[in-house]
Amino acid sequence: EIMMTQSPATLSVSPGERATLSCRASQSVSSNLVWYQQKPGQAPRLLIYGASTRATGIPVRFSGSGSGTEFTLTISSLQSEDFAVYYCQQHDSWPPLTFGGGTKVEIK
Amino acid sequence: QVQLQESGQGLVKPSETLSLTCTVSGGSISSSSYYWGWIRQPPGKGLEWIATIYYNGNTYYNPSLRSRVTMSLDTSKNQFSLSLSSVTAADTAVYYCARRPWLLVAFDVWGQGTMVTVSS
Repeated sequence: EIMMTQSPATLSVSPGERATLSCRASQSVSSNLVWYQQKPGQAPRLLIYGASTRATGIPVRFSGSGSGTEFTLTISSLQSEDFAVYYCQQHDSWPPLTFGGGTKVEIK
Repeated sequence: QVQLQESGQGLVKPSETLSLTCTVSGGSISSSSYYWGWIRQPPGKGLEWIATIYYNGNTYYNPSLRSRVTMSLDTSKNQFSLSLSSVTAADTAVYYCARRPWLLVAFDVWGQGTMVTVSS
């Protein structure tokens, strides 16, 4: 089973600033990496697939990069609606599909 | 646009079987373009994939749950379901159903989730 590790667990950022979230896989997952955003009381929302492709309707301030074992989600200028928990998920080797533990982006 | 809605027991006793249904509207579960899945989230914790099913009935289970999980399709009702046997308190979670396009190994449409509590 491929383990996904996200860091930091919590990221405190001021509105308008850049946020950089990391996701590391225990072995290479190529570009088979997805990012989701989850707000309190809501289902996750697909942000990025294929490590770097934005899903339909996702603002350009969200960008994904990386391949192999190291991945990054960048939010270029945080808006109030971006404060949430972000999860990465690999689908290179499954079952099982595996998620990272999440990074909470909070207002500084 | 497609919508998913979970339904089922909100409270299950330990050792019993949890049963949930996901009703799909605005699209057909018989389409070869999609897989359908279940994901859960214990209170205050992260996401755990449970199972995925394809329109032809092929199923994929999380090995950690495989011995207790069954997922199935009911094409006549445009629903898919989850059964989890021998539940314990560790199975208490919000259970989400979701859609995964065939070419996109990511869940792009999710239900709102349903809370299931395991308690006597």
